[in-house]
Amino acid sequence: AQKVTQAQTEISVVEKEDVTLDCVYETRDTTYYLFWYKQPPSGELVFLIRRNSFDEQNEISGRYSWNFQKSTSSFNFTITASQVVDSAVYFCALSVSYGQNFVFGPGTRLSVLP
Amino acid sequence: NAGVTQTPKFRVLKTGQSMTLLCAQDMNHEYMYWYRQDPGMGLRLIHYSVGEGTTAKGEVPDGYNVSRLKKQNFLLGLESAAPSQTSVYFCASSRELRGGGTDTQYFGPGTRLTVL
Repeated sequence: AQKVTQAQTEISVVEKEDVTLDCVYETRDTTYYLFWYKQPPSGELVFLIRRNSFDEQNEISGRYSWNFQKSTSSFNFTITASQVVDSAVYFCALSVSYGQNFVFGPGTRLSVLP
Repeated sequence: NAGVTQTPKFRVLKTGQSMTLLCAQDMNHEYMYWYRQDPGMGLRLIHYSVGEGTTAKGEVPDGYNVSRLKKQNFLLGLESAAPSQTSVYFCASSRELRGGGTDTQYFGPGTRLTVL
């Protein structure tokens, strides 16, 4: 069975601080995909990134970066120089290569204070 | 492209009433999903469909029915609404990955349902 754990329920930081959101996944499949979504206070769910299990290269997009480590089954998300607009709930998700198996983590609520 | 759209955006029902939520996608995706999200909670899968004419139960299917008569549409029905069904409902769609599996899910804006 697949599982995604986001141990941090809520995080508060002050603007311009760096913050890392943790995501740990479980799967026995060797081919899988990892995702991050953002849900701002307005409520919509916004896709941020998709990473497949064969690509462990870290990715940077502006102030966002993702660290994928198969050895620790983690796919962590770092926001550099956080801004108030980064305040949202962030969900990590896992999809495997067969059937309909798309599992969301419980989410981490990030509050960036001015 | 509109992506994934949902109608209505808001709805208030009385206990026992019925209603249908409509989800439409224009990305030619095979897979479609209905989730509910309760305040401060994550997403829970209600039903999903892997293709036109097919549906399957998710984590919390009781009290809901679905239909996928056309590839682009996925309907969620509440037969007899209960206050416990007060929630925000999200529809999503995704393509099937080559070799099987689910690619990125794209979400609609949500429907806020209140059952009195």
